[in-house]
Amino acid sequence: QVRLQESGPGLVKPSETLSLTCSVSGGSISSFYWNWIRLPPGKGLEWIGYTHHTGATNYNPSLKSRVTTSVDTSKNQISLRLSSVSAADTAIYYCAKWSESIEAFDIWGQGTMVTVSS
Amino acid sequence: ETVLTQSPAILSLSPGERVTLSCRASQSLNTRKLVWYQQKPGQAPRLLIYGTSSRATGIPDRFSGSGSGTDFTLTISRLEPEDFAVYYCQQYGSSPLTFGGGTKVEIK
Repeated sequence: QVRLQESGPGLVKPSETLSLTCSVSGGSISSFYWNWIRLPPGKGLEWIGYTHHTGATNYNPSLKSRVTTSVDTSKNQISLRLSSVSAADTAIYYCAKWSESIEAFDIWGQGTMVTVSS
Repeated sequence: ETVLTQSPAILSLSPGERVTLSCRASQSLNTRKLVWYQQKPGQAPRLLIYGTSSRATGIPDRFSGSGSGTDFTLTISRLEPEDFAVYYCQQYGSSPLTFGGGTKVEIK
């Protein structure tokens, strides 16, 4: 069974770059589309984007200019970088596996809280 | 962008009651593209229903989904104590993928 675990700094200063990693265990990273999703306090879920081991990516237009995602097959990790952060980027960040067969996020990490504050 | 509107925002109910949650899309969706998740405090979302009406692995049959076009529904036939949570619908009929704002089902 595939398991996901997010990690990274819990506090980022405004205007800096948020960097998170998602470690994949129990399965190959060289399959599936790996997604980042966030949950701001008091709000609903927001899809950030996906990355595939082939290098294919797709981002939410609302964040596209600031987002970069990638896959490191040697480490079985997915990464997220979000530049020029502000308080509006404060959220719990989740990585999630997209299942093409059922067209849904079938496996999620536990999430990591990131606060943007000076 | 397809906007999903969930209603009501909060439902206060007692265990044993029947629950109907609504998700309305701003444009018509292929039924294969509508999904429901459950999220409890401090936990990741859990897949409940995919393709509008198919239960995910391990989901009890008291959960059911229906709908077509722009109107979709998640029904819990009889609320159990572990069902009090926030429920989100999600679509992938058009990019970007979007979620509804969620419905919180709380204990009355």
